[in-house]
Amino acid sequence: KAGVTQTPRYLIKTRGQQVTLSCSPISGHRSVSWYQQTPGQGLQFLFEYFSETQRNKGNFPGRFSGRQFSNSRSEMNVSTLELGDSALYLCASSPRLAGSTDTQYFGPGTRLTVL
Amino acid sequence: GDSVTQMEGPVTLSEEAFLTINCTYTATGYPSLFWYVQYPGEGLQLLLKATKADDKGSNKGFEATYRKETTSFHLEKGSVQVSDSAVYFCALPLRGGSQGNLIFGKGTKLSVKP
Repeated sequence: KAGVTQTPRYLIKTRGQQVTLSCSPISGHRSVSWYQQTPGQGLQFLFEYFSETQRNKGNFPGRFSGRQFSNSRSEMNVSTLELGDSALYLCASSPRLAGSTDTQYFGPGTRLTVL
Repeated sequence: GDSVTQMEGPVTLSEEAFLTINCTYTATGYPSLFWYVQYPGEGLQLLLKATKADDKGSNKGFEATYRKETTSFHLEKGSVQVSDSAVYFCALPLRGGSQGNLIFGKGTKLSVKP
C-alpha cells in the first residue's frame, strides 16, 4: 500500500501571500489530520477531517483552513502568510474505525518558508 | 487539560549503550499511548503503541510499558545503534480514549556515536 503523500515537498512564499498544501491519505483511510511542526512550539494539531467534515480543530487563527474531498484527499490553506507560519506541515491519515484504537500514519511533510 | 511531558534532550550515547527516554502524561481516563520517531528530513513514523494499562509495546528493539500508577510510558532500548539517531516523540490522543488526534511531547533528540 502506498503511504501518505504530500505535495509540494518544499515551498517558498512571501508575507501576505496565500498557500495551499495537498495530502493524499493511504487508500481506504477516511480521516486526515494536519499538524504544524516548528522548533519553538513543536508539533501542534491543526485540524482533522473525516467524511468531508472538519471534526476537530486546534488552537490556530482563522487564516488556517482546510477541506476534504469525497476521495478523502485533503488540502489545507493558509492565507495572509506571516513569517511565523514558516514550518513543516505534516499530514496524517487513519482509518477512523468506530471503537478501534486509531494509529495515525504520517506523510513526509511540506516545508513552508515565508520570506 | 491533557498533556505529555518528555525528558529534555539532546541525548548523546555511544553505540551499544542503554537508552531510556522518560515520558509522563496527564489525561482523562486511560488513553492509548504512542511513541513516534522522526529521522532527519522525514515525517513521523509510528515506533510502538500500547492501548491499555500494563501493555508493553515493542518494535525494533525498543520497548515501552504503559504504567497507569505512575502515568508513564518510558521508552527503552538495551543496545542503541548509530541508525537510531533521530527525534523521539511521546504522544496521546487529543481527547483521551482511542479516537481523536494527537498531543505530542516536545521531542527528545538522540544522537548515537560509533
